[in-house]
Amino acid sequence: ILNVEQSPQSLHVQEGDSTNFTCSFPSSNFYALHWYRWETAKSPEALFVMTLNGDEKKKGRISATLNTKEGYSYLYIKGSQPEDSATYLCAFICGTGNQFYFGTGTSLTVIP
Amino acid sequence: NAGVTQTPKFQVLKTGQSMTLQCAQDMNHNSMYWYRQDPGMGLRLIYYSASEGTTDKGEVPNGYNVSRLNKREFSLRLESAAPSQTSVYFCASSEDRAEKAIYEQYFGPGTRLTVT
Repeated sequence: ILNVEQSPQSLHVQEGDSTNFTCSFPSSNFYALHWYRWETAKSPEALFVMTLNGDEKKKGRISATLNTKEGYSYLYIKGSQPEDSATYLCAFICGTGNQFYFGTGTSLTVIP
Repeated sequence: NAGVTQTPKFQVLKTGQSMTLQCAQDMNHNSMYWYRQDPGMGLRLIYYSASEGTTDKGEVPNGYNVSRLNKREFSLRLESAAPSQTSVYFCASSEDRAEKAIYEQYFGPGTRLTVT
């Protein structure tokens, strides 16, 4: 069983605050790491795909960094907005790229 | 473009009954996946199919069978449902690229299954 951990489990922030959360994964046999955003009553949607030689990824106010040697990735949200409220999942992909191991997610609530 | 579709959306089964969950994608993706999602746990991979005609076990395959009917469709069958299979089931697909670098997944809306 492969362990992918996300912290914190949940987070409440005020509108305008910046926040970040962590995904920890095994530091061996890395293939890729994905971040997904999952809004209530919807399906997960991909945010970033991070590969071994990849740099920091950025999409608007959201960015992600990756450290494969120590086995973690950070997701940052700058100036949180209520529409950022969702669960953020990371998925560790190992081997030849067909085995996905998801973390349990960080639930973010942005208070207006 | 419907993306990934799943049927049914909800289902209640009695212990021992069988059923098939259907999944279809219209994005011409090669890879398709079945996950289950339980409270307090992340999405767990049941089976995946890297291409038409091939299937492989994921993390939690026991009690399930799959069929990759064609490139579009990937079904999940419960032969004899058990209460432990009460869960939300998600189908996903991804595009394979020649450079083998990126496999972001596109998810269906889910099927909520209750086994009593």
